[in-house]
Amino acid sequence: DTGVSQDPRHKITKRGQNVTFRCDPISEHNRLYWYRQTLGQGPEFLTYFQNEAQLEKSRLLSDRFSAERPKGSFSTLEIQRTEQGDSAMYLCASSLVQGLYGYTFGSGTRLTVV
Amino acid sequence: KQEVTQIPAALSVPEGENLVLNCSFTDSAIYNLQWFRQDPGKGLTSLLLIQSSQREQTSGRLNASLDKSSGRSTLYIAASQPGDSATYLCAVPRTSGSRLTFGEGTQLTVNP
Repeated sequence: DTGVSQDPRHKITKRGQNVTFRCDPISEHNRLYWYRQTLGQGPEFLTYFQNEAQLEKSRLLSDRFSAERPKGSFSTLEIQRTEQGDSAMYLCASSLVQGLYGYTFGSGTRLTVV
Repeated sequence: KQEVTQIPAALSVPEGENLVLNCSFTDSAIYNLQWFRQDPGKGLTSLLLIQSSQREQTSGRLNASLDKSSGRSTLYIAASQPGDSATYLCAVPRTSGSRLTFGEGTQLTVNP
């Protein structure tokens, strides 16, 4: 297991289009997190799952955003009707509930909305 | 609501200097504290994890301390190198496996 994988690495889309990102966590990790990071800022929490259950969603996650983790393995984050303000780095992380080993992050998906 | 602050926001030093990055948090009810490194346009790489019951952790030239009661952590980098140039972020969860709250990072530049 080589860590947390995110796909694609970069995505350029036109305003109003829908986009979907994928995250594959470390296989034995039961928690999966999505964060958003804009230039010069620290990552902001969006949502997280324990297995297939979505346990918490941030107020940042508007109705245009939806996340799923079917079967408790990989996760997808979909943004509908993208806006220029959605341009950011979307980061995925995973961990064990027993957080003795901390959180492992993926390389991120850079979204640019034009 | 937990707030995490990192000082300084940016730091430029000559190669070979020892340096200290600071992280403070408003709510001392944390499970642990994790320091990350982020290169431009990349994801986060974990550097050090300090459990709430620990005072410090060391990895190579890096040493992180934690004073939970005063809401502070420091990351000490010894004998800095140009390859250390990156943004350094600290983050805390309230409970085991809960969401992380991040600081805004310290952008470090080490000049050869």
